[in-house]
Amino acid sequence: EPEVTQTPSHQVTQMGQEVILRCVPISNHLYFYWYRQILGQKVEFLVSFYNNEISEKSEIFDDQFSVERPDGSNFTLKIRSTKLEDSAMYFCASTPSVVGYTFGSGTRLTVV
Amino acid sequence: SQQGEEDPQALSIQEGENATMNCSYKTSINNLQWYRQNSGRGLVHLILIRSNEREKHSGRLRVTLDTSKKSSSLLITASRAADTASYFCATALSGGYNKLIFGAGTRLAVHP
Repeated sequence: EPEVTQTPSHQVTQMGQEVILRCVPISNHLYFYWYRQILGQKVEFLVSFYNNEISEKSEIFDDQFSVERPDGSNFTLKIRSTKLEDSAMYFCASTPSVVGYTFGSGTRLTVV
Repeated sequence: SQQGEEDPQALSIQEGENATMNCSYKTSINNLQWYRQNSGRGLVHLILIRSNEREKHSGRLRVTLDTSKKSSSLLITASRAADTASYFCATALSGGYNKLIFGAGTRLAVHP
């Protein structure tokens, strides 16, 4: 069964550093998403991406965040200057249409 | 106000018993989905029910949707210790790019 692949599975970074979280969505999917889950809390929507541009973003997704689809397969989330409160599990997801979500297994980001 | 709130927050049962989790939401939805998450792991899609459906089954899972009450329930029959996990409902709102709004989840513990 096709999977959404996220790398790395765990990243530790120092406060103020830039991080790039990587995702390989399912190849024929058209919609891409990033969500995050702070430990013990609910999963929160960050951003959706369609047709090579951001289609919707949440209040969390401020100027420190950016997304990119640099080639036909990768979908990245960049955090420019990490803060302690950015520590969370980040999930990538893709869908072929308005239904059919597939989530990746997540990247656990720890900011120290 | 929150979209997608589950109750109970935690549920502890014996193997073989049924587990029922409830979810309430506030706005019009396109569909409602249930996900499972083992501790610290990724999100596994369990079942999707569209706004024009009232009940859906998948193996030991039964989901109901009452759009007049803006509520859904997930029933796991004949539970097993391996069902121990957190269960989240997520609503896809009408219109938009199908972002999901997750509830806080129910932590289910099934004891052998």
